[in-house]
Amino acid sequence: GAVVSQHPSWVICKSGTSVKIECRSLDFQATTMFWYRQFPKQSLMLMATSNEGSKATYEQGVEKDKFLINHASLTLSTLTVTSAHPEDSSFYICSARDPAGMEGTFGSGTRLTVV
Amino acid sequence: GENVEQHPSTLSVQEGDSAVIKCTYSDSASNYFPWYKQELGKGPQLIIDIRSNVGEKKDQRIAVTLNKTAKHFSLHITETQPEDSAVYFCAASGSGNTPLVFGKGTRLSVIA
Repeated sequence: GAVVSQHPSWVICKSGTSVKIECRSLDFQATTMFWYRQFPKQSLMLMATSNEGSKATYEQGVEKDKFLINHASLTLSTLTVTSAHPEDSSFYICSARDPAGMEGTFGSGTRLTVV
Repeated sequence: GENVEQHPSTLSVQEGDSAVIKCTYSDSASNYFPWYKQELGKGPQLIIDIRSNVGEKKDQRIAVTLNKTAKHFSLHITETQPEDSAVYFCAASGSGNTPLVFGKGTRLSVIA
């Protein structure tokens, strides 16, 4: 079945630095990928929709200049958290839509801790 | 936009009993309803899904039912086992590349 690889699985960074998270579809081409953020004991909240070859669409309240999304190929989308602050600490998860259907295949998530 | 409500937020059952989690959605245009299992520190794993042209789907101990008229769908787990303990999320989406909208999750505990 469809596999989405997300990397790194966890990262600790200093306040003010930037962190890049990668999301790869391993065995299918994903024209659309989604980025979610999940705080402890809460549901997944959509941050943005990443479309290959075009600008990402951000949800209301999500700062596009802070959360940079690049979807340069059909198998890779990246999320860069710029000038990270402790309040950005969260679990970030990507998903890719299998073009043959509507299943959302999720990556394993990235635990970001900003100190 | 779509709004998905999920109940209960927590559920404890004895091993071997059944567990039922219910969700309602608001957008009648939604036509895809997956269920995910999320274990601590991991991404959600799709366990079963149903499309709007089907009323029920079963996969071994897991089944999902959909009532389009009432706009609700349910997850049924029979013969629960301790390894079924996790957080379960329902979701809904429409056609094309519309993103999934998630319920708030149900923490299921199966007591041995």
